Amino acid sequence: DAEITQSPRHKITETGRQVTLACHQTWNHNNMFWYRQDLGHGLRLIHYSYGVHDTNKGEVSDGYSVSRSNTEDLPLTLESAASSQTSVYFCASSEVGRNEQFFGPGTRLTVL
Amino acid sequence: GEDVEQSLFLSVREGDSSVINCTYTDSSSTYLYWYKQEPGAGLQLLTYIFSNMDMKQDQRLTVLLNKKDKHLSLRIADTQTGDSAIYFCAESAAGNTGKLIFGQGTTLQVKP
Repeated sequence: DAEITQSPRHKITETGRQVTLACHQTWNHNNMFWYRQDLGHGLRLIHYSYGVHDTNKGEVSDGYSVSRSNTEDLPLTLESAASSQTSVYFCASSEVGRNEQFFGPGTRLTVL
Repeated sequence: GEDVEQSLFLSVREGDSSVINCTYTDSSSTYLYWYKQEPGAGLQLLTYIFSNMDMKQDQRLTVLLNKKDKHLSLRIADTQTGDSAIYFCAESAAGNTGKLIFGQGTTLQVKP
């Protein structure tokens, strides 16, 4: 069955370190999204991509970057982790022309 | 700008009906969605409604849409303890971008 996976599921890191969160989908979806979930804020869009080599900034993109070298993967990199980036991160994907997004299980990131 | 608002918490007794409410701002949204998030998991699409519909029923779930007031509701009949979760309302962003705008989420607590 097609699916979307994220790794690691839990990560603890220190302030200033570079961290990369992986997202892999086997739906063959062109659209992929990264969100962070924080209490009181719901889901906020960090970055998104409509296809290979395409990346776009969302509403909370500062301190994050993404790259899209193939259809299946959209890794999220925190260039220099900050305590404010402690959060739960979700990856999602959707078909072109469809709005329904399918979500991964999430990565809980703690920055000490 | 686009915004989606939900109340944060709802508590009901098992067997009662639950009604989760949502308001949105973008009248051009084509689709409106309800997602469910169980503890420690990603978001799962529950149901959606096309903007030219007033109501959609799917087993125990009823979605009502009032376009004039930009109000969306999700009614769960015969609520069970397994329905305890966070429910997110989302609207499709303007311009057929594939992006979704999420509310803050409503935590539904079902008491036995």
